[in-house]
Amino acid sequence: AQKVTQAQTEISVVEKEDVTLDCVYETRDTTYYLFWYKQPPSGELVFLIRRNSFDEQNEISGRYSWNFQKSTSSFNFTITASQVVDSAVYFCALSDLLSGGSYIPTFGRGTSLIVHP
Amino acid sequence: DAGVIQSPRHEVTEMGQEVTLRCKPISGHNSLFWYRQTMMRGLELLIYFNNNVPIDDSGMPEDRFSAKMPNASFSTLKIQPSEPRDSAVYFCASGYGGEGNEQFFGPGTRLTVL
Repeated sequence: AQKVTQAQTEISVVEKEDVTLDCVYETRDTTYYLFWYKQPPSGELVFLIRRNSFDEQNEISGRYSWNFQKSTSSFNFTITASQVVDSAVYFCALSDLLSGGSYIPTFGRGTSLIVHP
Repeated sequence: DAGVIQSPRHEVTEMGQEVTLRCKPISGHNSLFWYRQTMMRGLELLIYFNNNVPIDDSGMPEDRFSAKMPNASFSTLKIQPSEPRDSAVYFCASGYGGEGNEQFFGPGTRLTVL
């Protein structure tokens, strides 16, 4: 079985603050994939990043950075100098083969980020 | 590319009526997913197709739900008869199957069953 936990239901920050969204996952598979998606108020989910289980290098893309730590089964997402446009629901997802031979993703419940001006 | 296209964007129907949701995946993608999103249950995978073949339909809630993918460029999700508890946003997503690749989501269909 696989499981993705996003313990933070909602986070509220003021513009320019840094914010970290937590994601903890469970899997018995050695090969798996982790994702982050953004769902802005418009409703459409937008892919942000994909990481495989063999690549623990942290990644930075502009104001976004991701910290993947297999030792703690975490894949956290940090937004530096947050902006109002970052307000959205962010989903962490996990795909592994233990779902029955196919990489089918399981999504966390999401973290709603509200950035106040 | 136009992205994943879903229709209708909004649907309001009465209990007992048949509802058909449509999806056109991104050209060249060989996997297609149908999801349902509600406040109570979050984002749930309903069914997954690979090369037009249903691979996993364990998320389909009951026999009232059915999905088809007659060709690589079209899929439908049908609910017959619809019930108020089916009210949700239904997303279609497509991607390249196999190695856990990312998915590209459509704008969703907001279904309200009265």
